[in-house]
Amino acid sequence: SAVISQKPSRDICQRGTSLTIQCQVDSQVTMMFWYRQQPGQSLTLIATANQGSEATYESGFVIDKFPISRPNLTFSTLTVSNMSPEDSSIYLCSAGQGANYGYTFGSGTRLTVV
Amino acid sequence: DQQVKQNSPSLSVQEGRISILNCDYTNSMFDYFLWYKKYPAEGPTFLISISSIKDKNEDGRFTVFLNKSAKHLSLHIVPSQPGDSAVYFCAASEDDKIIFGKGTRLHILP
Repeated sequence: SAVISQKPSRDICQRGTSLTIQCQVDSQVTMMFWYRQQPGQSLTLIATANQGSEATYESGFVIDKFPISRPNLTFSTLTVSNMSPEDSSIYLCSAGQGANYGYTFGSGTRLTVV
Repeated sequence: DQQVKQNSPSLSVQEGRISILNCDYTNSMFDYFLWYKKYPAEGPTFLISISSIKDKNEDGRFTVFLNKSAKHLSLHIVPSQPGDSAVYFCAASEDDKIIFGKGTRLHILP
C-alpha cells in the first residue's frame, strides 16, 4: 500500500492567517482525499482532490476556505484560509487506488489557531 | 444525519477473548465497508474491508461480517491482544468516497 508523508505535523497559527498542508505519496494513486478530525469527533471528509482539476467539496466545505491543489498523481495540498480558532483540528490526507483496497492515511497535521 | 453509526463509544475485553465491534448504516448504496484502527497521534490504519455483495471476509485474527438486510456489520478480533487497544472506526464507501463512524475505543485488559 502507498506510504504518505504529510507536512507539517503540527503548527500554531494566528487567526486571520493561512496554512498550507502538503501530502506526498510514494507512488501514483488514483484517489486523494482530505479529512478533518475535530477534538473528540470522527473523521469528516472535506473534499476529493482531483488531479488536474478543481477539487470536489463535501457539504459544508467551500473552495474559498479550503483551497486544494493536486498537480499530479502523487501530491496534493490543502490550504486552511483566514483561520479562526474553530479551525483548530487535525487535518489528514488519504490516498489509494479505490475504496475496495482501503485507503492509506497520513499521520495528520495538528493545527491550533490562537 | 449520520450514515455510519457506532453506538458503543468504548468496549473492554479480556486478553485472549473475542472482541466484537458493531456498526450500523443507513445508506443502501454503500458498496464497500471498511474497518480502520487508530492509535493516538497517528493516522488511521486500514484493517479489513468487505464488499456489499459478500457476507464475510476474514484476514488472520480479523473477521468482518455484513448483514445487509439489517444494515449492520461487525468486526471480530480473536484472540484479542494488548496491541489491539486502540480506537476502531467503521467506514463505508460510495463512489470511492469513505464516510466514517464516530469510533469505538477498545481496551484489552490483561
